[in-house]
Amino acid sequence: DAGVIQSPRHEVTEMGQEVTLRCKPISGHDYLFWYRQTMMRGLELLIYFNNNVPIDDSGMPEDRFSAKMPNASFSTLKIQPSEPRDSAVYFCASSFVAPMNTEAFFGQGTRLTVV
Amino acid sequence: KQEVTQIPAALSVPEGENLVLNCSFTDSAIYNLQWFRQDPGKGLTSLLLIQSSQREQTSGRLNASLDKSSGRSTLYIAASQPGDSATYLCARGGADGLTFGKGTHLIIQP
Repeated sequence: DAGVIQSPRHEVTEMGQEVTLRCKPISGHDYLFWYRQTMMRGLELLIYFNNNVPIDDSGMPEDRFSAKMPNASFSTLKIQPSEPRDSAVYFCASSFVAPMNTEAFFGQGTRLTVV
Repeated sequence: KQEVTQIPAALSVPEGENLVLNCSFTDSAIYNLQWFRQDPGKGLTSLLLIQSSQREQTSGRLNASLDKSSGRSTLYIAASQPGDSATYLCARGGADGLTFGKGTHLIIQP
């Protein structure tokens, strides 16, 4: 397996534009996670899915953020409208069972810059 | 809110030294403790996973310990090499998922 695949690797957009980040988890993994990493706050969990169903979205900072998982092999994180404070590295991760019990595998991340 | 603290935030040592990275967490009711490595511009790579029922795990030159009662974990790196230079993050696994520390930025001087 190629691991967790995220696209794009880098995204630069203007404030107010819509941004969509994409993730393909490892085949067979039941859990998918979206994290955001900044220097100030470190890694924060935004939302996670189990079998394509959102389980906990309490980490989503605002209504401008939304995430979907239409099938077991694809998820999106959308920011609309984007703001400069959304600039961060966004990671997707997947695990076979709940990460509290097993390893989580991370993608390479998407570095988002909102100008 | 659960917190995970890593000390030191940065560390620079000569090649060949043995070193210890520290991680502390506020909730002893954890499911596991995981150590990750992050290289610049890259994602996280899982190094070691210690279940709550275990005391330590070893992989090659790495050894991680867990003391739930004191809320501490350590990552021991033996005979450090320049290739070990990276940021090391610990994460507490609980009912609310993984909570990460901010990491220790490690530089091994050749």
